[in-house]
Amino acid sequence: GDSVTQMEGPVTLSEEAFLTINCTYTATGYPSLFWYVQYPGEGLQLLLKATKADDKGSNKGFEATYRKETTSFHLEKGSVQVSDSAVHFCALAGGSYIPTFGRGTSLIVHP
Amino acid sequence: DSGVTQTPKHLITATGQRVTLRCSPRSGDLSVYWYQQSLDQGLQFLIQYYNGEERAKGNILERFSAQQFPDLHSELNLSSLELGDSALYFCASSPGGGPQETQYFGPGTRLLVL
Repeated sequence: GDSVTQMEGPVTLSEEAFLTINCTYTATGYPSLFWYVQYPGEGLQLLLKATKADDKGSNKGFEATYRKETTSFHLEKGSVQVSDSAVHFCALAGGSYIPTFGRGTSLIVHP
Repeated sequence: DSGVTQTPKHLITATGQRVTLRCSPRSGDLSVYWYQQSLDQGLQFLIQYYNGEERAKGNILERFSAQQFPDLHSELNLSSLELGDSALYFCASSPGGGPQETQYFGPGTRLLVL
């Protein structure tokens, strides 16, 4: 079945550092790929998404590119802020309609 | 605020009991999803409904059941509760339920089984 693997955290960075959170997936067909973010005590909210190969999703300075050849959707941000501290989830959804989420990566940004 | 509401926010109950969690989707959304989030299992998809009909089923136990009503709100029923059922239960909604759609998550119901 479908699966999502993302790097284990926590990822600890200083403010203004560069961020990469790796995400790779296994799926049949051409799934849509998502990054969701969960702030403490809240539900998940969409950060960005891409629905076909080579698409780049972007939002709030975060970017991720749908790479079918490497089955990856790595999340990047050039300069993180303390307010970016949260748990980040990579997810996919394909033709089976069953959404699959990674385990989540906790990001901690220090001032 | 995503527009998805879930009640109750917290629930404490005993093993063997039955509880009902309620979800109201965003206005206009026809599809509802249920998830279980726990420390050891992560975020697990349970079930999806679209306009009252079951569309997809994930790792939902036989002790758990759900339904979506004509007004589109949904309920998740958990019975014969076990300690291991303690978790955060999220509901999400989307307009049409397609795999490319963004899901909008509610704030969750935290269930503690003692």
